Amino acid sequence: GAVVSQHPSWVICKSGTSVKIECRSLDFQATTMFWYRQFPKQSLMLMATSNEGSKATYEQGVEKDKFLINHASLTLSTLTVTSAHPEDSSFYICSARGRRTGGTGELFFGEGSRLTVL
Amino acid sequence: GNSVTQMEGPVTLSEEAFLTINCTYTATGYPSLFWYVQYPGEGLQLLLKATKADDKGSNKGFEATYRKETTSFHLEKGSVQVSDSAVYFCALSGRYTGGFKTIFGAGTRLFVKA
Repeated sequence: GAVVSQHPSWVICKSGTSVKIECRSLDFQATTMFWYRQFPKQSLMLMATSNEGSKATYEQGVEKDKFLINHASLTLSTLTVTSAHPEDSSFYICSARGRRTGGTGELFFGEGSRLTVL
Repeated sequence: GNSVTQMEGPVTLSEEAFLTINCTYTATGYPSLFWYVQYPGEGLQLLLKATKADDKGSNKGFEATYRKETTSFHLEKGSVQVSDSAVYFCALSGRYTGGFKTIFGAGTRLFVKA
């Protein structure tokens, strides 16, 4: 199956700093990547959809200036949490679909990145 | 609008018990249906899928049948194991206004006791 890798798995940062999370598709070209946020014991909240080479589409209520998403290549998307605050602490998950994988709508997920802001 | 509703958890079962997690959906058109599983501290992974009515998805002893008449996609397993303890998400995918969308249910946490 298609593999999506996310890095880092864990990150702890001080309030006010910025954190970058990478999402890579290792064996397919990801034409679309999705970024989710998951609070403890809750479902996934879609934050934004990014298509390679174009600006990300953000869901209502998600601050695009705070959560910067870049999808510069067919294998890499990044999420940067700018000026992080403790309320940004969460589990962030990316998923991807591509030309080879996207026929049935199946998504391939990264392992997730747990962000803790002190 | 499109939505997915699944039974609330947590569900606690003894090993070798029968499992059913209910999932119903509301959608326009003909979405594909999925069950994803999330083990503690990990991302989601696909468990099984069905792309059209009456299709049965199956994997690792789990099964779910796409029932268009009842708009359901219930997950079943005849004999659960401790290693099945995880959170299970029902989801639908399709192309809608604004592009491709995947909609997840709230998730159902399963605990299996030895």
